[in-house]
Amino acid sequence: QKEVEQDPGPLSVPEGAIVSLNCTYSNSAFQYFMWYRQYSRKGPELLMYTYSSGNKEDGRFTAQVDKSSKYISLFIRDSQPSDSATYLCAMSEHGGSQGNLIFGKGTKLSVKP
Amino acid sequence: DAGVTQSPTHLIKTRGQQVTLRCSPKSGHDTVSWYQQALGQGPQFIFQYYEEEERQRGNFPDRFSGHQFPNYSSELNVNALLLGDSALYLCASSFAGRGSDTEAFFGQGTRLTVV
Repeated sequence: QKEVEQDPGPLSVPEGAIVSLNCTYSNSAFQYFMWYRQYSRKGPELLMYTYSSGNKEDGRFTAQVDKSSKYISLFIRDSQPSDSATYLCAMSEHGGSQGNLIFGKGTKLSVKP
Repeated sequence: DAGVTQSPTHLIKTRGQQVTLRCSPKSGHDTVSWYQQALGQGPQFIFQYYEEEERQRGNFPDRFSGHQFPNYSSELNVNALLLGDSALYLCASSFAGRGSDTEAFFGQGTRLTVV
């Protein structure tokens, strides 16, 4: 079993839809959870950074962490064609400066106008 | 504020050759990590540099080596290139000083093709 599992999709939704992206993990020591967006042939762009369990909201994006279930989610409200990209979940035992990040494979999202 | 910058953006090398990739961290950051991202996969951790020393290393062979300079910039060297080394190489920077523990920001990557 891989440390981080992420459904690679692809996922196709109409503009304005609510998108739900998920990852599961096996290492209970993970405490830091991140979502990155990666456009084709570009580097990952940090979207959300959360510590431990709970919710965090930033504009149209909401990140949820459920450590008891080892499950994290990213919700995108009112999705736009510009949201079309690959979304990577990442996690680590320590913060970004002290630990290596373990990534999922990424979910490819396409938002159709 | 310049973000993380990497050079070159693209590179083609022949099997068996050696390559050096470069990274300048985001202003104010002191820690640099390198990742390899194969096509269709998530990035995989190669190693991390802090205070000019390798602090952590992932599951990569000794052909992969690095260096961090006093200005916090970093190089990734790969010797005896294999076809399987073809990938997007990503540099990420963060700040670890004074007990801080910030998120990692990535550069645009260097796409290496080994032929």
